[in-house]
Amino acid sequence: EVQLVESGGGLVQPGRSLKLSCVASGFTFSNYGMNWIRQAPGKGLEWVAYISSGSSYIYYAETVKGRFTISRDNAKNTLYLQMTSLRSEDTALYYCARGRGMGYWGQGVMVTVSS
Amino acid sequence: DVVLTQTPPTLSATIGQSVSISCRSSQSLLHSNGNTYLNWLLQRPGQPPQLLIYLVSRLESGVPNRFSGSGSGTDFTLKISGVEAEDLGVYYCVQSTHAPYTFGAGTKLELK
Repeated sequence: EVQLVESGGGLVQPGRSLKLSCVASGFTFSNYGMNWIRQAPGKGLEWVAYISSGSSYIYYAETVKGRFTISRDNAKNTLYLQMTSLRSEDTALYYCARGRGMGYWGQGVMVTVSS
Repeated sequence: DVVLTQTPPTLSATIGQSVSISCRSSQSLLHSNGNTYLNWLLQRPGQPPQLLIYLVSRLESGVPNRFSGSGSGTDFTLKISGVEAEDLGVYYCVQSTHAPYTFGAGTKLELK
């Protein structure tokens, strides 16, 4: 069974940093590109970043470019999102999702940016 | 960036009714490799989204065949042939042809 489990969220002050993790199981992680997608409370889905299976291709939304870094460790079956210079508008539920097709999603991890 | 315009924003339906959702793109979603990376997702209340349709018209495994997708280029449609109670929620189209990837604003399907 495919599983994606996010962690690392919490309450953080504006301007601070946070690192999210997504541990994958039930499939060959190294064969798939991965995404981070977020959803602000009561709002729609916003794609954040994508990393290809071998980390050769990395893309970001303009709203996070230069502040967020997506990475992965295929030996640990883990996807990461390093978030710096956090803003109140980054407050959201953050999901990891498998592949360009976004066929599998985790349950999400909440990030709240507030003083 | 590619803008996906979904209509209608809200859809009221009775059980058994057939409904359609439109997703129009600001540019062609045909990739140079010949694929069109336009997918449809359903997010039920309190749940993460689930994939219904990928590559425009391919039904994800386990998804009922009352769901179907069609379209090409810039115009795409999701059809539900006979709405059931479990279909209520918010439907999103998403494109992963052009980076940055983008979502439509969503269509909320409600019971009439």
